Amino acid sequence: DAGVIQSPRHEVTEMGQEVTLRCKPISGHNSLFWYRQTMMRGLELLIYFNNNVPIDDSGMPEDRFSAKMPNASFSTLKIQPSEPRDSAVYFCASSFFDFSGIGETQYFGPGTRLLVL
Amino acid sequence: RKEVEQDPGPFNVPEGATVAFNCTYSNSASQSFFWYRQDCRKEPKLLMSVYSSGNEDGRFTAQLNRASQYISLLIRDSKLSDSATYLCVVKPHASGGSYIPTFGRGTSLIVHP
Repeated sequence: DAGVIQSPRHEVTEMGQEVTLRCKPISGHNSLFWYRQTMMRGLELLIYFNNNVPIDDSGMPEDRFSAKMPNASFSTLKIQPSEPRDSAVYFCASSFFDFSGIGETQYFGPGTRLLVL
Repeated sequence: RKEVEQDPGPFNVPEGATVAFNCTYSNSASQSFFWYRQDCRKEPKLLMSVYSSGNEDGRFTAQLNRASQYISLLIRDSKLSDSATYLCVVKPHASGGSYIPTFGRGTSLIVHP
């Protein structure tokens, strides 16, 4: 299995530009998470999808951030317009959730390192 | 109070030492607990789940104390390769069909020769 795939791995852009991050979850997984990690704030959950439906987006910082999951094998996180404070590592993670009540393992992608100048 | 709290460290220990980390959580409804390991500039990876009765995986032992609402990770005979950040993860029970995991900020471990 290829694991969770994210692209691009690095992104440098100028303030005001649109940034699109992409994620391909592990095949068969039905839950997908977008996280942001910084030294100051640690790992923050931005949004969580289950069966392609956004379940909790309370972590999305503001309207500049949007996420979509058009199908089970693809998700995007878009920042428009980007700002320097958006600089961080953005991780996508996927897992298989069932109703057994047993916590499932999250598998993380390698992350996208975003620098907004 | 933060939902999940960890001592950021760093814990600086010599090879062969035994080191332990704790992680406290505030949600008493939490049902699933995990330790993840994150190497520098890498993604977090599952180290081990934490079961109610405690569990061991080689040099690593995880324990859960529900009464005091904390989990612990013990590493025996530390290796240089154990140097990393250890993140604890807490999840409530999935009674509603969906639930959100909460990550701690992580504890940094540095093992030196």
